[in-house]
Amino acid sequence: SQQGEEDPQALSIQEGENATMNCSYKTSINNLQWYRQNSGRGLVHLILIRSNEREKHSGRLRVTLDTSKKSSSLLITASRAADTASYFCATASGGYQKVTFGTGTKLQVIP
Amino acid sequence: ETGVTQTPRHLVMGMTNKKSLKCEQHLGHNAMYWYKQSAKKPLELMFVYNFKEQTENNSVPSRFSPECPNSSHLFLHLHTLQPEDSALYLCASSQDSASGAPEDTQYFGPGTRLTVL
Repeated sequence: SQQGEEDPQALSIQEGENATMNCSYKTSINNLQWYRQNSGRGLVHLILIRSNEREKHSGRLRVTLDTSKKSSSLLITASRAADTASYFCATASGGYQKVTFGTGTKLQVIP
Repeated sequence: ETGVTQTPRHLVMGMTNKKSLKCEQHLGHNAMYWYKQSAKKPLELMFVYNFKEQTENNSVPSRFSPECPNSSHLFLHLHTLQPEDSALYLCASSQDSASGAPEDTQYFGPGTRLTVL
């Protein structure tokens, strides 16, 4: 069964608003990553947070990790139309490049 | 761009055809991956190669045959596919790491959109 599960499945907001996406997972992890995918294209790595970190920032992105609840959130502040994409969380656990992706959140930012 | 290229970008094939997908990474990584992405399903890991050796085969049907001649190139040979194999096939690469290191980050190619008629 899949490791990461994003919530909501789809999100539509106005430009300038903040977008929050959540990810829950089942087993212990070494790190959690967020990726972005524009329609029909490859995934692009956004940010990685390690299991001993609680919060991380990168530009307009803020990621939190709560290992006790096995959950993470991705916040995009001051969203832009160009942020329209699908966002996936991916968990890395065990040894060897075993990265498991969720089903993604489809974000639409309306200009 | 991410430094990972895939060709062709689109492929339409019949069930009796044989075709190959190609992936090349220019990042000096030593691990490469094939994923299948179907609508409304999680990204499915198909194969992992590390230093040209296959380290993972996720119960993929034998009609998909990977080949990794060197650390920079990865192929996926296709034969007698089924319509349900139509999907976006993504290649990725990463640097080998113990675990929990930034090298777990995967760099994806743009994908090959495959349609099986």
